[in-house]
Formats: sequence, C-alpha cells, structure tokens
Amino acid sequence: DGGITQSPKYLFRKEGQNVTLSCEQNLNHDAMYWYRQDPGQGLRLIYYSQIVNDFQKGDIAEGYSVSREKKESFPLTVTSAQKNPTAFYLCASSVGASYNEQFFGPGTRLTVL
Amino acid sequence: AQSVAQPEDQVNVAEGNPLTVKCTYSVSGNPYLFWYVQYPNRGLQFLLKYITGDNLVKGSYGFEAEFNKSQTSFHLKKPSALVSDSALYFCAVRDMDNYGQNFVFGPGTRLSVLP
Repeated sequence: DGGITQSPKYLFRKEGQNVTLSCEQNLNHDAMYWYRQDPGQGLRLIYYSQIVNDFQKGDIAEGYSVSREKKESFPLTVTSAQKNPTAFYLCASSVGASYNEQFFGPGTRLTVL
Repeated sequence: AQSVAQPEDQVNVAEGNPLTVKCTYSVSGNPYLFWYVQYPNRGLQFLLKYITGDNLVKGSYGFEAEFNKSQTSFHLKKPSALVSDSALYFCAVRDMDNYGQNFVFGPGTRLSVLP
C-alpha cells in the first residue's frame, strides 16, 4: 500500500449524516485521487487534484466534496446528498507526469445504516 | 473517450499452468497502459506498465504483458500460475496525447488459481 494511509478502515454512518474520509501520503506526490469501488464495476473517479489548492470533479462527483490545503492530504467528505454512499473508497497518488503509475491506499469501507 | 474492456469476469487456471488475463482498450491518442492487482479488502498494487518501446513488458511477481497496437490489447500473462496469484486484476489506460485525461479502469477480472 506504499506511503498512503487511509482512515478509518471501516466507517458506519447513519442516513443524513456527512462523513469525512482521511487520506495522507508521504511520497511527495503532486497528484491525488479518490475512487469509489462497487462490486463488478471497477473503479470510478470521484475527484482528483493535480496541485495544492486545486481540484477537479471526476465522473461521479455529485454528493461528494474534497479539499487540498496541503500536498500530503486530500480528505473526502461524503455528504447526505450522496444517494447511495455504501461502497469501498480508495485514495491514490502519483507523480504528476501522466505516464506514472498510481499508488493506492488500503481503502475505507463505508456502510450507511 | 477512453475505455477499457476486460472481457472475462472470471479466469480459472490450475497451479503451474500459464495464465492470461485479457484487456482491450480504446483511446483517441496513444495509450499508457497499466495492470494492477487487488487482494481482498486491500488497495490496488501496481504490477507493470507500457509507455513506449518494447511491446513485451515485464513486471512484478513474474507477470508480463504484451502490447498489441493493431488489436488494441494489453493482455497480462504469467508462465506458471501460483495459488497466491488468486486475486482481482485491473487493467487501466491513460491517453498520452490528451493532457488532463485521467486513468480509466476496466471492471476487473477475478483470477482463481486452483491447487
């Protein structure tokens, strides 16, 4: 899982609550990403950030928000507007150039009760 | 738009036999191609990538992949499978000629190596 940590490993949330997933990397990577993984669907991009204080929406950004105040941190907030938030969430980072592979964290499994 | 297909949901192979996990892609420009492996409840681990040059790429744990531009394929191979290779495998593509395009992942192929 490289130098990326995600916490917590398991998270339970009641409907209507916002929850924030942590992602920290010590790899000095410029780019960071959040993916959602559902069974049989592979990974879908939620948000990404190429540089501090800048981020862009991915394919499924609705109901999610992010911030990138520090290079090493890219927290994801799952808001109450996300209709089906139960999923496995993966954070990744990469050196900025597009031919470089991503390094993934161990993931957070979010369950909405 | 970029896309990746992994035509097999599941691949079963006997230990010691060669394995192949298939991947085909579609990009408007030239591709960067990647293979990752995921063990249960874990993040993805990078196996190998094709950027340019030799069509046969060697990676971690004895895996290799062959880039075929005419067939737009990047199949993952290993000469002799191990039970410990059983996992979920993802192919990913990035369009090198379209800066700002992100990685697109295939749906994954579950590999089961039977003892």
